[in-house]
Amino acid sequence: DMQMTQSPSSLSASVGDRVTITCRASQNIATYLNWYQHKPGKAPQLLIYDASSLQSGAPSRFSGSVSGPDFTLTIDSLQPEDFATYYCQQTYRTPITFGQGTRLDIK
Amino acid sequence: QVQLVQSGAEVKKPGASVKVSCKASGYTFTAYYIHWVRQAPGQGLEWLGWISPNNGVTIYEQKFQGRVTMTRDTSISTVYMELSKLTSDDTAVYYCARSRVGSGYYNEYWGQGTLVTVSS
Repeated sequence: DMQMTQSPSSLSASVGDRVTITCRASQNIATYLNWYQHKPGKAPQLLIYDASSLQSGAPSRFSGSVSGPDFTLTIDSLQPEDFATYYCQQTYRTPITFGQGTRLDIK
Repeated sequence: QVQLVQSGAEVKKPGASVKVSCKASGYTFTAYYIHWVRQAPGQGLEWLGWISPNNGVTIYEQKFQGRVTMTRDTSISTVYMELSKLTSDDTAVYYCARSRVGSGYYNEYWGQGTLVTVSS
């Protein structure tokens, strides 16, 4: 199976900060990498698809990029509603796999 | 608007089966895959598989092969996920989610989740 290594596993930041979360695939996945935000008691929300495309309705402070095997989710100017858990997901090959998640807490 | 509405919470005993439904509305039911993803308490997201409502073709995560069955009823735009031989490890919130057909999919719409509790 395709392993997705996501880092860090947790992160503390303040409102207004810029944060980055990284995901690395164990094999080539082209750009078939998506990012989700997940809050307790809610369904996950798609933020970024195909590595760098912003999902309709997602705030523009979220962006995705890829450099070699590393995929990055960047949140510019953190807002209070951004504190949540973030997951990457590869859909290059089944089984579809998720990263372990990054919990973003308020510092 | 696109909606996926799931059935309610379930409590099952070990060894039993559970069947969760996911009713779609607001789009052409047969034009998109439906995936099932779960989250156990304190754990991350785990993919179980997908079904094509168009022809009933399924792809399951090998870990669940033999225990999971995904079906659909096109007359009522509903997909079902049945998981058998339940253990306490299957206690989780189960989500259905839509994706486009073909490669490179992403889940842009999700159901509200169904809590399945397995307890003796």
